[in-house]
Amino acid sequence: GQQVMQIPQYQHVQEGEDFTTYCNSSTTLSNIQWYKQRPGGHPVFLIQLVKSGEVKKQKRLTFQFGEAKKNSSLHITATQTTDVGTYFCAGITQGGSEKLVFGKGMKLTVNP
Amino acid sequence: GAGVSQSPSNKVTEKGKDVELRCDPISGHTALYWYRQSLGQGLEFLIYFQGNSAPDKSGLPSDRFSAERTGGSVSTLTIQRTQQEDSAVYLCASSPTGGSGTEAFFGQGTRLTVV
Repeated sequence: GQQVMQIPQYQHVQEGEDFTTYCNSSTTLSNIQWYKQRPGGHPVFLIQLVKSGEVKKQKRLTFQFGEAKKNSSLHITATQTTDVGTYFCAGITQGGSEKLVFGKGMKLTVNP
Repeated sequence: GAGVSQSPSNKVTEKGKDVELRCDPISGHTALYWYRQSLGQGLEFLIYFQGNSAPDKSGLPSDRFSAERTGGSVSTLTIQRTQQEDSAVYLCASSPTGGSGTEAFFGQGTRLTVV
């Protein structure tokens, strides 16, 4: 079945640093979504990408959907302590059921 | 309410007892998911309901786990003969169907502790 893999699983950065995390699917996706879960909270939707090569920005966060629609990346610029949490990507297989398949998540910690 | 509601928010049960966890999705959402999240871990898919289709039960870890969705709305996840390894946060999410409107809305979760 469809698998969504996120790398790395854990990321520890110094406040102010930039970093990128990746999401790879075993199948071609119709769309990809990103969620953020703050410590003690539940996952909250951040953004959805639909088009091949699409790039969207939310303040210091830049999301990209790969040309082949099988991978995505999240780049955070000038990381802040408020960015702490677990980031999940989730995708729907193109032409398949509408089931969202989540990756295992990338846990971000920030050293102030 | 406007969001996904789960009850109870916390449940402590003795090993071997059965528990029922409830999820009230957002009205009109046809898709409903159950996930399990152990402390500090990622989301473990359990089951997916979509409209009147047969549920996708491929994530249920054992036959002690079952779920129902009545009338296309409220869902109940039942765990029979609970074990300590069942301790986790159980998250429910609902989603509208079709097209690009597939964002999942999560409830606050039920924290299950088996003692």
